Amino acid sequence: AAGVIQSPRHLIKEKRETATLKCYPIPRHDTVYWYQQGPGQDPQFLISFYEKMQSDKGSIPDRFSAQQFSDYHSELNMSSLELGDSALYFCASKRQVTYNEQFFGPGTRLTVL
Amino acid sequence: KNEVEQSPQNLTAQEGEFITINCSYSVGISALHWLQQHPGGGIVSLFMLSSGKKKHGRLIATINIQEKHSSLHITASHPRDSAVYICAVSMNSGNTPLVFGKGTRLSVIA
Repeated sequence: AAGVIQSPRHLIKEKRETATLKCYPIPRHDTVYWYQQGPGQDPQFLISFYEKMQSDKGSIPDRFSAQQFSDYHSELNMSSLELGDSALYFCASKRQVTYNEQFFGPGTRLTVL
Repeated sequence: KNEVEQSPQNLTAQEGEFITINCSYSVGISALHWLQQHPGGGIVSLFMLSSGKKKHGRLIATINIQEKHSSLHITASHPRDSAVYICAVSMNSGNTPLVFGKGTRLSVIA
């Protein structure tokens, strides 16, 4: 069965650079969540989208932006990268009408040098 | 105080032992998730529960809604079970993002 796809899986950037992370939900899933997990930390919610509209906002820095496209894939854009942005970024998808279950992608490991 | 508390934080077991990881939460939820994360790896969903008990292979998850408590049990543990096990909850509306516990790091020694 198709799973949530994230790209790239690994990314290395310098401070002050920009990065774009992509999340492709399971087919027919209309909701995407983005989470950030710092080293040794529990995951923190960043932002979510339903039907291409932002639905919830968590601890996403102003330097980050995200959107969901017409094919339901989502992109997380990160600018002016800082060392503290080094983390595992993973997304999860679900169908809004189904009961709660979120399916997780493998994550993108971002390292900022 | 974290809304989702897990215990223990770290657990070392001998291969074959029966393992229990506990999760308590302080808010109303629509579902509770047990997740597994191997070192450096992504997150895999093990169970989603809103009541009762679920079993998948050697894994059993239970939830008591009245007591706001869930347990994950691993029978006949194996070194490949070594991972971080995370409890996460969906709040009342069900479409809200997950709130995660801090995880339990399990090491199973052969």
